[in-house]
Amino acid sequence: GIQVEQSPPDLILQEGANSTLRCNFSDSVNNLQWFHQNPWGQLINLFYIPSGTKQNGRLSATTVATERYSLLYISSSQTTDSGVYFCAVSGTYKYIFGTGTRLKVLA
Amino acid sequence: DAGVIQSPRHEVTEMGQEVTLRCKPISGHNSLFWYRQTMMRGLELLIYFNNNVPIDDSGMPEDRFSAKMPNASFSTLKIQPSEPRDSAVYFCASSLLVNQPQHFGDGTRLSIL
Repeated sequence: GIQVEQSPPDLILQEGANSTLRCNFSDSVNNLQWFHQNPWGQLINLFYIPSGTKQNGRLSATTVATERYSLLYISSSQTTDSGVYFCAVSGTYKYIFGTGTRLKVLA
Repeated sequence: DAGVIQSPRHEVTEMGQEVTLRCKPISGHNSLFWYRQTMMRGLELLIYFNNNVPIDDSGMPEDRFSAKMPNASFSTLKIQPSEPRDSAVYFCASSLLVNQPQHFGDGTRLSIL
């Protein structure tokens, strides 16, 4: 099956800093989503991005499907960005989740 | 628009009891998914429904687990009898079509004592 690796596993930032989270996957995919799991456990859909680049406010994402990776950029981080960021990929419907990047933003 | 609605948000019960988790998908979505999140195994797919029909239940851990989708607006995940190792957060998600973004509910945090 598809393997998903996320890096770094943990990240601590000072408020206002920028960061890049990476997701590598082992096979071609038709679906890729980035999620933010907030401290209350909710899974928030950030981007559906099987290929290309998207931006939403301070967040943007790029997926290079031919090279099997995706990047999530967080600019001007805020304390509310803290939580775990998951990448999930699938060839069909069965999403395989990475183990996540745990982000802590300090005030 | 209302998102995916799950109930209850929290459930604490004793080993051996029957547990029923409920999910209302987003109106118009024809794909529904049940996931389980644990520290050891992360997020894993339990079962997938398409147009109310179970398509893939290979992730259901054992016969104690069952899921139904009697209509397009309601699904249940049942555990009978429950065991302490079933303690986890259970998420329901829906998507418009199978190859479309999945939208997750807030989850049910289940504790089996």
